[in-house]
Amino acid sequence: DTEVTQTPKHLVMGMTNKKSLKCEQHMGHRAMYWYKQKAKKPPELMFVYSYEKLSINESVPSRFSPECPNSSLLNLHLHALQPEDSALYLCASSQDFRYGGTGMDEQFFGPGTRLTVL
Amino acid sequence: GQSLEQPSEVTAVEGAIVQINCTYQTSGFYGLSWYQQHDGGAPTFLSYNALDGLEETGRFSSFLSRSDSYGYLLLQELQMKDSASYFCASPNQAGTALIFGKGTTLSVSS
Repeated sequence: DTEVTQTPKHLVMGMTNKKSLKCEQHMGHRAMYWYKQKAKKPPELMFVYSYEKLSINESVPSRFSPECPNSSLLNLHLHALQPEDSALYLCASSQDFRYGGTGMDEQFFGPGTRLTVL
Repeated sequence: GQSLEQPSEVTAVEGAIVQINCTYQTSGFYGLSWYQQHDGGAPTFLSYNALDGLEETGRFSSFLSRSDSYGYLLLQELQMKDSASYFCASPNQAGTALIFGKGTTLSVSS
């Protein structure tokens, strides 16, 4: 199974709502990532989890809260979002965390959740 | 800082060959990756060059010259389905995350 799955595919929420995005992989990868992507722009890293611990937070606002319940699952909890947070949210995984080791050559991306904040 | 520069758009016809260039400025360089992303889809990995030279995978090849801080993706025998965005990417200085170029939109016409 070389797949990263994400749910939901689409999400529309108001600025006062609380929602969660889910990501799952069963490749035994030890690193998992959240990216935000706006139209016609590259993916922008938000968070990195390595061995279920938060390793990198790219100065993301606290209205985004990541969680890694186990080695296969990654959640992104959303609260009090702004319309400018509307974007495609991508989850990715890779075998290892640091380049220079084995297996960090490739990141596997999920299909993303298209989020609209009204 | 770290930056990767690539052309914003490239157009070509079916059956042609196209080269997408990527120049980078990084302190601490691990290698160059290429990702393809169709409209509405997820980025998918195409190739990774850690060392100088050419890597070939079917119709796609990728080249790296570390001395010139330059790489390219070569797509041969272009097909309509190759119309997509192509991103070069490189790890950050700590080797802990990928930094993406702004992407090149390839349009293939018949």
